[in-house]
Amino acid sequence: RKEVEQDPGPFNVPEGATVAFNCTYSNSASQSFFWYRQDCRKEPKLLMSVYSSGNEDGRFTAQLNRASQYISLLIRDSKLSDSATYLCVVNPNAGNMLTFGGGTRLMVKP
Amino acid sequence: EPEVTQTPSHQVTQMGQEVILRCVPISNHLYFYWYRQILGQKVEFLVSFYNNEISEKSEIFDDQFSVERPDGSNFTLKIRSTKLEDSAMYFCASSYRDSHGYTFGSGTRLTVV
Repeated sequence: RKEVEQDPGPFNVPEGATVAFNCTYSNSASQSFFWYRQDCRKEPKLLMSVYSSGNEDGRFTAQLNRASQYISLLIRDSKLSDSATYLCVVNPNAGNMLTFGGGTRLMVKP
Repeated sequence: EPEVTQTPSHQVTQMGQEVILRCVPISNHLYFYWYRQILGQKVEFLVSFYNNEISEKSEIFDDQFSVERPDGSNFTLKIRSTKLEDSAMYFCASSYRDSHGYTFGSGTRLTVV
């Protein structure tokens, strides 16, 4: 089983749509969880950390289910500028290394 | 906003040659990292560095790879004898305290021919 697994997409949605991405991770001892965004041929950029209680940042909502080892990201009112690859990222141990999923590609169309 | 700077942005090298990829982490950060991303694949951890020594490394980071912080500002990744399969984007990153505060550099695209 892959350490961090995501549906690669692409998800093609119209502007204004709500879209949800899911991710599963294999290591139940994982410590920290993140969503990163990566534009084509660019570096990953932190979108938001994910907390057990769920957290929201503007149009973005992240949820964590430790029992199911499942992380989600919801984007409301999609903008053209949201088009990117969304990376589910896990810190699997007490150190600082990050394990990345393969990413889910989102394309927002006018 | 502080940033992590990587040079060069693109490096082409012949198989078997040594390459050094350079990074200037954010000045008050304490942890430094190298990751790589082969085209079309996921980002993979190579190594982390703290207090002038390697703190974690992956299976990818074999004897062909080494890291160094030669002065107070630079952090380098050396590949001793490059292989075709080393062709990838190499990202440097730094953080102040833990996995929550990562900043990635814009990457060096390494092409081995």
